[in-house]
Amino acid sequence: AQKVTQAQTEISVVEKEDVTLDCVYETRDTTYYLFWYKQPPSGELVFLIRRNSFDEQNEISGRYSWNFQKSTSSFNFTITASQVVDSAVYFCALSAMDSNYQLIWGAGTKLIIKP
Amino acid sequence: GAGVSQSPSNKVTEKGKDVELRCDPISGHTALYWYRQSLGQGLEFLIYFQGNSAPDKSGLPSDRFSAERTGGSVSTLTIQRTQQEDSAVYLCASSFSAPPSKNIQYFGAGTRLSVL
Repeated sequence: AQKVTQAQTEISVVEKEDVTLDCVYETRDTTYYLFWYKQPPSGELVFLIRRNSFDEQNEISGRYSWNFQKSTSSFNFTITASQVVDSAVYFCALSAMDSNYQLIWGAGTKLIIKP
Repeated sequence: GAGVSQSPSNKVTEKGKDVELRCDPISGHTALYWYRQSLGQGLEFLIYFQGNSAPDKSGLPSDRFSAERTGGSVSTLTIQRTQQEDSAVYLCASSFSAPPSKNIQYFGAGTRLSVL
């Protein structure tokens, strides 16, 4: 069975702090894809990143970075020097053959950045 | 427009009435998806279209839910005899092509359905 676990329901930090959102996944497939999406209060999900299972390189995009570790089945997301505009719900998702490549979503982590 | 467009943005209806929700995907995207998101919850997959065909309807919660897509573009999600538990935000997404694993899904702003 495939599953995505985002154990942190809600995180609250003060602006400029660094924050890491955890994502742990389960799949028997050797080829799979991992995603992060952001859902701001406006409601529209915004794509942030897609990573395939053969590429374990960490990625950095501005203040955002992602750490993919197959050994621990984790794909964690770190925001450096957080800003109030980062406040949103963040979803991690998995796509693999076992689920006909439909996205399996985590429950989301609500991130609150206080000024 | 450049993004996925959903209408209406908000819909209030009475229990037992039928509703239609519309999704206009990004031009050129052949795959289209419907999800449901209840308050404070994650996304629940409903149905997936590739072109006008729906190879995966596994997520439709009951036979009161149906969806169609015409001309490989606009899709309509219909809920018949609405119930209060149908109240949620209905999200539509599109991607360039199948298989979905190799394509990024882009989302609309959703339709917030309230059943009184």
